Amino acid sequence: EPEVTQTPSHQVTQMGQEVILRCVPISNHLYFYWYRQILGQKVEFLVSFYNNEISEKSEIFDDQFSVERPDGSNFTLKIRSTKLEDSAMYFCASRAGTGGPGELFFGEGSRLTVL
Amino acid sequence: DAKTTQPNSMESNEEEPVHLPCNHSTISGTDYIHWYRQLPSQGPEYVIHGLTSNVNNRMASLAIAEDRKSSTLILHRATLRDAAVYYCIVSFTGGGNKLTFGTGTQLKVEL
Repeated sequence: EPEVTQTPSHQVTQMGQEVILRCVPISNHLYFYWYRQILGQKVEFLVSFYNNEISEKSEIFDDQFSVERPDGSNFTLKIRSTKLEDSAMYFCASRAGTGGPGELFFGEGSRLTVL
Repeated sequence: DAKTTQPNSMESNEEEPVHLPCNHSTISGTDYIHWYRQLPSQGPEYVIHGLTSNVNNRMASLAIAEDRKSSTLILHRATLRDAAVYYCIVSFTGGGNKLTFGTGTQLKVEL
């Protein structure tokens, strides 16, 4: 069964450092998403991406965040200068996007710990 | 997205059916009803979705009220592996619209 894969599974970084979280969405999917979940809290939407551009972003997704699909297979989330409050599980998701409300496929997540 | 209301937690015994309710009184005509679940330490996982008619798949059934203001996710025979947080999400998902997760229902399954 096709799946969304994310790397790294866990990253520890110092405050102020740049972090890149990587995702390989399901092949032929057209819509890509990043969500995050702070420990014990809700899954929060960060950004959606389609046709090589951001289609929607939340208030959380400020200038410190960026997304990119550099090579047609990877989908990355960059945090330019990490803060303590960026510590969370980050989930990538993708959707086929053809014909109706298709299933959102999530990856297993990347746990980011900012010290 | 329309607001949804779910119980914070429910308990079930293994091998018994579980009915997880969701109220969504502000649903609009083009909104779909989605259910996802999140097992411990994993990403959310699709369970089922529907618009007006009841739906069945290998994981569960979705019963939608005639006025669409509420729905029920039915797990026919709960197992320990079904212990998870279940999210009911109401959203128009044309194109790439996002899904907005609430706090969901924590389902506990006991032997």
